Amino acid sequence: KNQVEQSPQSLIILEGKNCTLQCNYTVSPFSNLRWYKQDTGRGPVSLTIMTFSENTKSNGRYTATLDADTKQSSLHITASQLSDSASYICVVSDRGSTLGRLYFGRGTQLTVWP
Amino acid sequence: EADIYQTPRYLVIGTGKKITLECSQTMGHDKMYWYQQDPGMELHLIHYSYGVNSTEKGDLSSESTVSRIRTEHFPLTLESARPSHTSQYLCASSDTTNRDRGTLAKNIQYFGAGTRLSVL
Repeated sequence: KNQVEQSPQSLIILEGKNCTLQCNYTVSPFSNLRWYKQDTGRGPVSLTIMTFSENTKSNGRYTATLDADTKQSSLHITASQLSDSASYICVVSDRGSTLGRLYFGRGTQLTVWP
Repeated sequence: EADIYQTPRYLVIGTGKKITLECSQTMGHDKMYWYQQDPGMELHLIHYSYGVNSTEKGDLSSESTVSRIRTEHFPLTLESARPSHTSQYLCASSDTTNRDRGTLAKNIQYFGAGTRLSVL
């Protein structure tokens, strides 16, 4: 069964600290993996997207890593800011259909305190 | 910044009412999607469209219906709302036809802000 599991479910950190969010998946055949940021009451916004041949990709203070062998990804946030408080969703796409079906994780709810 | 708009943002209605959730995008994207998301849960695809006059049901069974008469417009309709329909509905679009964009870029979906529906 194709699944995407994220951990932790929620995380609280102090402003300025770093944190790492985890994503494990069983989706096959694998096409690409994306991380989205979803602010409360808003739609998700894409942060990074990686194929199996990419190990790491950065977007400002966000750095995503991918290990296609172990089917794991992480999202590292550096020098957190209050505006980083949001849900971070891991999404994996398969190659089994023309649509490129997406499998969504439940997200990690990050709260940054001042 | 994605140009995809959903209205209304919030809707509280009584059981049995007919409602239509609007979704419009000004980017000329060919594919559009509707997702349902409950608090703390993952997004579930309920409808999608490859283009005008093309609509398909998604992974999650839904009593809603959709139409795609124009490229930019993808409304979702519930003929008779029930409390079980209470949820957040997210619309998204993607551009898979632009030859100037790489394969990965074509797969990125742009989301609207969502409609939070409460059926009493």
